[in-house]
Amino acid sequence: RKEVEQDPGPFNVPEGATVAFNCTYSNSASQSFFWYRQDCRKEPKLLMSVYSSGNEDGRFTAQLNRASQYISLLIRDSKLSDSATYLCVISGNTGGFKTIFGAGTRLFVKA
Amino acid sequence: NAGVTQTPKFQVLKTGQSMTLQCAQDMNHNSMYWYRQDPGMGLRLIYYSASEGTTDKGEVPNGYNVSRLNKREFSLRLESAAPSQTSVYFCASSEGSGGDEQYFGPGTRLTVT
Repeated sequence: RKEVEQDPGPFNVPEGATVAFNCTYSNSASQSFFWYRQDCRKEPKLLMSVYSSGNEDGRFTAQLNRASQYISLLIRDSKLSDSATYLCVISGNTGGFKTIFGAGTRLFVKA
Repeated sequence: NAGVTQTPKFQVLKTGQSMTLQCAQDMNHNSMYWYRQDPGMGLRLIYYSASEGTTDKGEVPNGYNVSRLNKREFSLRLESAAPSQTSVYFCASSEGSGGDEQYFGPGTRLTVT
């Protein structure tokens, strides 16, 4: 099993739709969780951190489920500008700190 | 405030040639990283430096060497390039090493023929 797994997509959704991505991780000792956004041929940039209590930033909501070892990202009222690849990132300290990037989920928002 | 800068942006090498990728950050971050990104795969850590004067291997270090020249600069060297090293290389930095947000440079697209 991969340490971090994401559905590669692509997800094709119309503007205004709600879309959700999940990311599963295998290391139960993982401590920090993030969603990054990567536009085509650009560098990844932090979208939001994921806290145990869940967090929301405008149209974006991130959740953590430690029992089932996954994080999720919900995008409401999708915009054309949301088209990108979304990377989940998991960090933990098991014999040395380690950060693992998922391969990413591609999202296309259509007019 | 430029953040993380990388040079060059593009490079084509022949098999066996060597080159150094340069990275610098102006955020006074302690940790710096080199990743490679290949289609369908996540970013894979090549080497990292948790502080000035220290470097450690990541997931895929073979064929690469690094130098943490000072707190700002972290270079990646390919001594004898191979076609398998064709990839996009990203440098990143973070304030600490314990799961902090990482800031990325714009990347170097390397092709080895």
